Amino acid sequence: EDQVTQSPEALRLQEGESSSLNCSYTVSGLRGLFWYRQDPGKGPEFLFTLYSAGEEKEKERLKATLTKKESFLHITAPKPEDSATYLCAVQARYGGSQGNLIFGKGTKLSVKP
Amino acid sequence: DSGVTQTPKHLITATGQRVTLRCSPRSGDLSVYWYQQSLDQGLQFLIQYYNGEERAKGNILERFSAQQFPDLHSELNLSSLELGDSALYFCASSVTGQGEQFFGPGTRLTVL
Repeated sequence: EDQVTQSPEALRLQEGESSSLNCSYTVSGLRGLFWYRQDPGKGPEFLFTLYSAGEEKEKERLKATLTKKESFLHITAPKPEDSATYLCAVQARYGGSQGNLIFGKGTKLSVKP
Repeated sequence: DSGVTQTPKHLITATGQRVTLRCSPRSGDLSVYWYQQSLDQGLQFLIQYYNGEERAKGNILERFSAQQFPDLHSELNLSSLELGDSALYFCASSVTGQGEQFFGPGTRLTVL
């Protein structure tokens, strides 16, 4: 069964304290792995797509990496405005769930000034 | 702003009632997806349409149905509502039936 597990569930950082969020996945052929940011009561905001092991993508203070079993979202020198829930999702290449995204439960990040 | 619009933003109704949620995809996107987000379950895929045709079904209850119209907007119909149906309902769209999806702002449904 395709599934995504994110850890930790919650993460509290001081402003400027770098850290990483983990996303472990099991999928019947990975078509793509996606990172989203979600603010309370809002829709998920697309951040990155990763397609193959070894791929990296960067945007401002965020950097996403991918291996064959997991992905990391590295946050460098975070600011309070980076506080949000970060969601990881996979899209399968095979099986009946092609096309739709399978989401993890997210990591709630809080950055204190 | 993702370019995906959803109406209404909030909906409060009673058990046993029926409601319709509406979604307009980004310009040029052919595929529409519906997701349900509750506190304990996270984001759960319900159903996908591509250019008017149903493409995939997830954990969608028989009381729920959807369609995509010729102008590509989509509606999600929820009937015989129960307290447990209270959740955020998101619509997403993509150019094709694969790849990244862009989410709307959601409809918050409260069933009393």
